[in-house]
Amino acid sequence: QITLKESGPTLVKPTQTLTLTCTFSGFSLSTSGVAVAWIRQPPGKALEWLALIYWDDDDRYNPSLESRLTITKDTSKNQVVLTMTNMDPVDTATYYCAHRRGGSSLIDYWGQGTLVTVSS
Amino acid sequence: ESVLTQSPGTLSLSPGERATLSCRASQSVRSSYLAWYQQRPGQAPRLLIYGASSRATGVPDRFSGSGSGTDFTLTISRLEPEDFAVYYCQQYGSSPLWTFGQGTKVEIK
Repeated sequence: QITLKESGPTLVKPTQTLTLTCTFSGFSLSTSGVAVAWIRQPPGKALEWLALIYWDDDDRYNPSLESRLTITKDTSKNQVVLTMTNMDPVDTATYYCAHRRGGSSLIDYWGQGTLVTVSS
Repeated sequence: ESVLTQSPGTLSLSPGERATLSCRASQSVRSSYLAWYQQRPGQAPRLLIYGASSRATGVPDRFSGSGSGTDFTLTISRLEPEDFAVYYCQQYGSSPLWTFGQGTKVEIK
């Protein structure tokens, strides 16, 4: 059974750096083809893909946010970490991590999400 | 970047009725790269349909997907109370890897 859970601060100040951790179980990020994504959703708005890390440490970013994002993994801890710099109130959103099915385009399992509010 | 436009924004229907949701892409999408998600209030999205027409594990057969090219449809044959939610279509591309439509809310009339 695949599960994912996001953790991190619920409140950050403008200009600060956000660090979120995704802790997962039921799969290994050392298995060929596996990947973990981060996706966010501002309150009442649509979903936006942010970043993806593959089993082989390759990564991809949404071009609109690429300069602010870094995604890393710790395979031994079954964790993926997302950092986003220079936070702004418009970055207030629920942040989800999700499992990408190996060798496919499919995002099939999602964490419960964590709401991050950006405010001074 | 291909943009997904969903319509209508809100669909007001009664339990037992049929729901038809549309997703239109600004560029042609490979059917294998089109998915639909359901999001209930306060919950994470749940995969319903992938490959434009394949139901995910555990999804009732009242949900069906169809379409190709730039026009895709999610149909709920008979609405159950738990089906009132927001539905998103999603496509897989090159950059960005995934984009989502703005969502269609199915509400109780």
